[in-house]
Amino acid sequence: KAGVTQTPRYLIKTRGQQVTLSCSPISGHRSVSWYQQTPGQGLQFLFEYFSETQRNKGNFPGRFSGRQFSNSRSEMNVSTLELGDSALYLCASSFSGGNSPLHFGNGTRLTVT
Amino acid sequence: ILNVEQSPQSLHVQEGDSTNFTCSFPSSNFYALHWYRWETAKSPEALFVMTLNGDEKKKGRISATLNTKEGYSYLYIKGSQPEDSATYLCAFINTGFQKLVFGTGTRLLVSP
Repeated sequence: KAGVTQTPRYLIKTRGQQVTLSCSPISGHRSVSWYQQTPGQGLQFLFEYFSETQRNKGNFPGRFSGRQFSNSRSEMNVSTLELGDSALYLCASSFSGGNSPLHFGNGTRLTVT
Repeated sequence: ILNVEQSPQSLHVQEGDSTNFTCSFPSSNFYALHWYRWETAKSPEALFVMTLNGDEKKKGRISATLNTKEGYSYLYIKGSQPEDSATYLCAFINTGFQKLVFGTGTRLLVSP
């Protein structure tokens, strides 16, 4: 069974640009959630999608958005990048969320210069 | 704002030592408590998902207990091995928000 796949693994962007990250969940998993990790911080929840609908959203500005497609693949978009957006972005899929364990991808390391 | 606290922040033990960490979370509206192991250069891996007060889970040398009434969970590692070196994360979800809130983790280093 293939794991969660995130692309790209690394990205370097400049301030003001936008970026799109992609996540392919484990087959059969309908919940996809996104997390941001910065040095010294725990995993910060961005949003969760379930069956193409955003089910939950974290405390991030509107520059952070996402979507989920009918095949459960998800994308996350960050517009007008700021230096503080430099982080590791992790995607996780689960069967139903809540009390289902999360299966994480390897993450996308975003550097904003 | 939900707060999940983990202690200690880091721990350095010798091979063969047994160790334990604590995860504290709000005791109201409990739904589930997750434990993950995150090794360097890898992605976090699920250890346990616990939902009932008094739950005890075991996976090899690692076990966890849950007390939802007082809002804490313990993770135990018996006879630590160097390959147990990792950051151990707990995450809490309540019935209201339905989103996982992670603690900042306990970083364990096991020396041979």
